[in-house]
Amino acid sequence: KQEVTQIPAALSVPEGENLVLNCSFTDSAIYNLQWFRQDPGKGLTSLLLIQSSQREQTSGRLNASLDKSSGRSTLYIAASQPGDSATYLCAPYNNDMRFGAGTRLTVKP
Amino acid sequence: GAVVSQHPSWVICKSGTSVKIECRSLDFQATTMFWYRQFPKQSLMLMATSNEGSKATYEQGVEKDKFLINHASLTLSTLTVTSAHPEDSSFYICSARWGQADTQYFGPGTRLTVL
Repeated sequence: KQEVTQIPAALSVPEGENLVLNCSFTDSAIYNLQWFRQDPGKGLTSLLLIQSSQREQTSGRLNASLDKSSGRSTLYIAASQPGDSATYLCAPYNNDMRFGAGTRLTVKP
Repeated sequence: GAVVSQHPSWVICKSGTSVKIECRSLDFQATTMFWYRQFPKQSLMLMATSNEGSKATYEQGVEKDKFLINHASLTLSTLTVTSAHPEDSSFYICSARWGQADTQYFGPGTRLTVL
């Protein structure tokens, strides 16, 4: 069964900082990996999807990398803003999607 | 893009009653649907996987007689929480996939509160 770990569990930074969120998973036989954002009490918003054959994906200030063989992915957020405050979840996909516990990010003005 | 809806978005019920949550794929045929549960400040935990027309496959530790899943059509799956108790209070999220597509599309979630 896929086990997903996200580090750190929580992160508080001042506005403007660049930051890195880490995700590791135990079963590297995945089709892809997806990063989501979840605001309190809300559903999931998909941020980036990286196919297993890709090394990274970018969308605006977000960049996600994938090292499938070592079971790791990172989400890089550039020039963080208060609106980025949310919980970020990574989910490797292999017939179903398993989630990490998330990183709770707070960006202070 | 693919849209998945859930109804209701929130529900409050008394202990001992049963609650049904619907998950619909609005613009595609969902051959497989997934049900997740999320307790406060915890991650999503997969409860069960259902293929259209077949019995659901439940994850270890999930009581199939308590959480009844029906996936009778390609656009609708239902989760019924039977004899709900306060410890069943949670955020329930469904997702859907068509065929062997390499991703799932998530509904907005249903907040269940059992008094």
